[in-house]
Amino acid sequence: DQQVKQNSPSLSVQEGRISILNCDYTNSMFDYFLWYKKYPAEGPTFLISISSIKDKNEDGRFTVFLNKSAKHLSLHIVPSQPGDSAVYFCAASEGGGSQGNLIFGKGTKLSVKP
Amino acid sequence: EAGVAQSPRYKIIEKRQSVAFWCNPISGHATLYWYQQILGQGPKLLIQFQNNGVVDDSQLPKDRFSAERLKGVDSTLKIQPAKLEDSAVYLCASSLPLAGGNTDTQYFGPGTRLTVL
Repeated sequence: DQQVKQNSPSLSVQEGRISILNCDYTNSMFDYFLWYKKYPAEGPTFLISISSIKDKNEDGRFTVFLNKSAKHLSLHIVPSQPGDSAVYFCAASEGGGSQGNLIFGKGTKLSVKP
Repeated sequence: EAGVAQSPRYKIIEKRQSVAFWCNPISGHATLYWYQQILGQGPKLLIQFQNNGVVDDSQLPKDRFSAERLKGVDSTLKIQPAKLEDSAVYLCASSLPLAGGNTDTQYFGPGTRLTVL
């Protein structure tokens, strides 16, 4: 049973517009959530994270929102750029802030068109 | 700062053969992870080391997979014998340990793509 779900395998967005990537989780013990970005033939790279004590974290063009009651988080990219085209993985852990033992979703492939 | 190094980048073997992957973590990173990423899936943790000790190997298929990190730096992951379903990308990651047994951000290597025929 998948504990972290990314239900949209792909998303296409026009350059300059907002990209919204969604993630749902089932384990209420998760207390730390992360987004990783992956280009082809490379390993995932850390993008942004959020602790369960917060509902929003912002870093430049990237903002992650957490809705604990709905067990849902989302990544907003504004404005989207062609270089953002990649696979985005949502991940979660229940280590009290630790980033060990991450549970990953299946990923969403984002395509940003010029 | 050099990133996580992995070799080989690609490997093709026949089923029932054995294979080994190598990982060199970022200098100073005491925590090392091996993940398996099957096509269309997210990475799945196989084993986590802290220095040369195993922290978590609950998802490692121990009948055919083994891993070691003898000197607390480099690590090798071995599959013997390989099955068709082992075809995947094997990712190595490393991180700094934090106080209280926690770990910091994981940095991933480029992975080894294994094809079992």
